[in-house]
Amino acid sequence: DAMVIQNPRYQVTQFGKPVTLSCSQTLNHNVMYWYQQKSSQAPKLLFHYYDKDFNNEADTPDNFQSRRPNTSFCFLDIRSPGLGDAAMYLCATSRDPGGENEQYFGPGTRLTVT
Amino acid sequence: GENVEQHPSTLSVQEGDSAVIKCTYSDSASNYFPWYKQELGKRPQLIIDIRSNVGEKKDQRIAVTLNKTAKHFSLHITETQPEDSAVYFCAASRGNKLVFGAGTILRVKS
Repeated sequence: DAMVIQNPRYQVTQFGKPVTLSCSQTLNHNVMYWYQQKSSQAPKLLFHYYDKDFNNEADTPDNFQSRRPNTSFCFLDIRSPGLGDAAMYLCATSRDPGGENEQYFGPGTRLTVT
Repeated sequence: GENVEQHPSTLSVQEGDSAVIKCTYSDSASNYFPWYKQELGKRPQLIIDIRSNVGEKKDQRIAVTLNKTAKHFSLHITETQPEDSAVYFCAASRGNKLVFGAGTILRVKS
């Protein structure tokens, strides 16, 4: 009964080669988030969608883009991955954007850049 | 913006002892404070949360306390077990964004 699904679980890409990570959810939640988590660090919010409204964090590099074609799916596009983009990428969802709503995390995609 | 500080960064306890992790936050308007447990290579999982209108919440061996005046909140784990070993993150939220603390590596020695 997976609720937040991420594919692939492991992704290897070459320096500068575009890559897309996928997230889907069966919870019918309105909000979907993308986090970057580097080793031994806390998750760092990149951006989130509230329904179709895209909200970018001020310090998210332009190299990172996102798409949400429908309620269930959200994609993270890295246009030109650098070595510093190697990390775990976590997708999360919440029912509503209010501060008291639990966020449900997917299992993550571990990105390696060679 | 919100800033969350978490201490200690690592914590080793003997099985059966208690563990306490503390966090402070900067934005007095934050109103939701979840705690996540993350095992190596796995997703963060919510273990307990507290809202700003409550001072304490308990769920079996886990409890969280919140002091809004001092802007700090703490996680208490009693009767620790080896399976409690993981990284624990506190977070604070106002609106739709969680701001995480840096994490605490908890090791429970048997």
